[in-house]
Amino acid sequence: DAGITQSPRYKITETGRQVTLMCHQTWSHSYMFWYRQDLGHGLRLIYYSAAADITDKGEVPDGYVVSRSKTENFPLTLESATRSQTSVYFCASSGGVTPYSYNEQFFGPGTRLTVL
Amino acid sequence: KQEVTQIPAALSVPEGENLVLNCSFTDSAIYNLQWFRQDPGKGLTSLLLIQSSQREQTSGRLNASLDKSSGRSTLYIAASQPGDSATYLCAVSPFSGGYNKLIFGAGTRLAVHP
Repeated sequence: DAGITQSPRYKITETGRQVTLMCHQTWSHSYMFWYRQDLGHGLRLIYYSAAADITDKGEVPDGYVVSRSKTENFPLTLESATRSQTSVYFCASSGGVTPYSYNEQFFGPGTRLTVL
Repeated sequence: KQEVTQIPAALSVPEGENLVLNCSFTDSAIYNLQWFRQDPGKGLTSLLLIQSSQREQTSGRLNASLDKSSGRSTLYIAASQPGDSATYLCAVSPFSGGYNKLIFGAGTRLAVHP
């Protein structure tokens, strides 16, 4: 499918388990992002990547690990899940070919993660 | 630290009204400002992006303006329809902290009733 996809859409896990959320985009965008959305905090940036093998921390990176070996994929790993990481996670990408579209971010459908 | 505020938090209007959603930000050093729409349980849909050098952008019944010096943006929705019901989010890309990152407001929840 064209666009940006996330998997799984829903995930329930237990405290202490490792969880990986997947993100895939078909536009060959250079930038990719992970956000989490929580009531009372809105959307906050976890990590972002400017290109393959280039990643950097956002506002709330603790407890998360990312990698980007291929331009189209940007997985997010929770190494040891905690209840505070229960949230909705959104992946986004940007980097179109026009000056307008280069900056415009496009979001995936989200993954709802529950940590018990 | 850049902060983004959206007023009102919620809005309920009858169909056909023209309405304005407000967004303010504390630091005028931004690359651009983007408006999004989010339907319940869904991802964000990009509506309009305004570059820092621009004053406004239009798409169909939507018009977004940017006054960078005063730290304000407005999203104008003409002739509102029930299908416009959603949460509207604005986000700025600040100079500090790296290119292309977004700082979001909490959103305005809009309900348009027939």
